[in-house]
Amino acid sequence: KNEVEQSPQNLTAQEGEFITINCSYSVGISALHWLQQHPGGGIVSLFMLSSGKKKHGRLIATINIQEKHSSLHITASHPRDSAVYICAVRGGLEGAQKLVFGQGTRLTINP
Amino acid sequence: DSGVTQTPKHLITATGQRVTLRCSPRSGDLSVYWYQQSLDQGLQFLIQYYNGEERAKGNILERFSAQQFPDLHSELNLSSLELGDSALYFCASSVRGTILGNTGELFFGEGSRLTVL
Repeated sequence: KNEVEQSPQNLTAQEGEFITINCSYSVGISALHWLQQHPGGGIVSLFMLSSGKKKHGRLIATINIQEKHSSLHITASHPRDSAVYICAVRGGLEGAQKLVFGQGTRLTINP
Repeated sequence: DSGVTQTPKHLITATGQRVTLRCSPRSGDLSVYWYQQSLDQGLQFLIQYYNGEERAKGNILERFSAQQFPDLHSELNLSSLELGDSALYFCASSVRGTILGNTGELFFGEGSRLTVL
């Protein structure tokens, strides 16, 4: 079993829909990152969370430390949100410095 | 623009060769991290440097080495290249890099795409 599991692996939705991507991890962590990777390959860090909830524009990230679960929500989705979203945890079995990555969720938003 | 610069963006070379990937972190960031993204393995942490010193090591092969220079730029050296080394290599930087606690936001470069033929 991977240390970080994301679901779904692939998600296709219509423009305007509310999107939820889930991330579960199996060990205690010090922080969780949500990353966005566009088709060109570049990676952008969206959020870093250690507790609670963060919001940036149409993006919301939450984390439940007790349940070892995080969600990334996108409100009023747009085709430009189409990308791979990657959850990564820090401070698990690999230690504080090493990010362990989920396999990614490929999101496609159709106009 | 993350402020992290990676060169070259694309590199094609042959098996057995050696290449050097370069990373300039954001101004003021002391930590540099290297990651490899291949089709079959996904993203994997390779190595971290903090203010010139190696701080953490991940799944980095012995054929690979890295260093961080006094001006804080970093180089990842890949030698005796194999077909399986073809991947995207990302560099990221952050302000902090302490072993205890979190290391702050990460800022990624655009990546260097290595193709080994």
